[in-house]
Parts: sequence; structure tokens; C-alpha cells
Amino acid sequence: NAGVMQNPRHLVRRRGQEARLRCSPMKGHSHVYWYRQLPEEGLKFMVYLQKENIIDESGMPKERFSAEFPKEGPSILRIQQVVRGDSAAYFCASSPRGGGGGSSPYEQYFGPGTRLTVT
Amino acid sequence: GIQVEQSPPDLILQEGANSTLRCNFSDSVNNLQWFHQNPWGQLINLFYIPSGTKQNGRLSATTVATERYSLLYISSSQTTDSGVYFCAVGDSGGYQKVTFGTGTKLQVIP
Repeated sequence: NAGVMQNPRHLVRRRGQEARLRCSPMKGHSHVYWYRQLPEEGLKFMVYLQKENIIDESGMPKERFSAEFPKEGPSILRIQQVVRGDSAAYFCASSPRGGGGGSSPYEQYFGPGTRLTVT
Repeated sequence: GIQVEQSPPDLILQEGANSTLRCNFSDSVNNLQWFHQNPWGQLINLFYIPSGTKQNGRLSATTVATERYSLLYISSSQTTDSGVYFCAVGDSGGYQKVTFGTGTKLQVIP
């Protein structure tokens, strides 16, 4: 019963390069969330996706960042032209469903994170 | 958006001691989770507890939704309990974007 999987676990990029972070949700989960954690801080919401749909991207920087969750395959968080300030841990979470009500189907399960270092 | 405050920000305990961590939130919630981030950065689900009380071994949690706070109790602490404890809440909106508190950094010394 695999949990949320993220790869790579560590990623080093030079300034100006592109970073691609992948997230495979838990089996049976169709909702994916991306969060960013800067050093010594809590996690900040970036984007919430369902299959082929971006539901909420209010936490995403307007430029250079994009996310997708295609019909087949993992969710991808893409950062173009990385800068040193993008260095952080990026966590993906999944849940069986979202929206309204309140019960354990809305509990989010987190992957191990991808630690991005921009040199 | 919803505000989440955790206290204390830092805590040092002798092994075997008990502690209470607090999470206050500013609005109605329908999702509240406690996480432990271990020294390797991994986030571990402790409790999903939008209301009521739950226990799991040496840990227990209580959420009083009407008064907008949750408590995490750690009894007989062990060095492996060290790390950062986060409270995360989802408001009563249409979906479960969660907002994290700033965490309580716990160090348990032998």
C-alpha cells in the first residue's frame, strides 16, 4: 500500500535552469496539493489540482511556476528559470476527495518532499 | 484567510516528561490535522481531528471547534519525539486547502 511518492528527493539546479518535480498520489486518491516549505518555516499552500483541472492556484507565484495533473501519470510542478529564492522543500499531498462536508476522506497525506537547491 | 497560531514556538523536555501543544485558529474549520516533521524532514500524520478527542499510544489530541483551538498531548516523551509539530486546518469553504501553523519545535533530551 504505497503512500504518496515524490521524485526526485533531492534536486540541484543552477540559476536559470528548469526544475521538474513529480508527485504520484496514493492509490485511489484523485486530489493533489503542492506546498512549499522555506527553511525554518511552515508549509505554504501553492496549488490544488484534480485530474486535468487546476482548482486553486492562489498560492502559486504568477511567473515561472506551473502545475499539471494529467489524466495519466504523475502530477508535475514545474519551475522555469530557477533563482536562489526557489530553494526550498516542495511537498505534495493527496486526498481521496475535496470539497464540503468533513470526514476522513478529506485527510491529506504527504509525500517525503523534494529538496530543491539552486546554486 | 484563516489564521493559525501555535504555542509554544520552542519546547525542551527531559525524557519521560509530559507536554501540551496548542493550536488556535481564527475561523470555523472542517479539517484539522496534526503532523510531526522529524529531523529528516518527513511529515508524519498524527491525527485527523476536526472535533472531539483521539488517542494513539502516548499521543492524544482534543479539538474544541466551537472555541477554535486544538491541543496535542505527548506523554512520557522520548528522544524520537523530537522534531517540529504542525497543526494544519482547512476552513469551511468548498475544498480542503489547508493552512499550516508555524509549528512547535520540540527537543527531548535524555
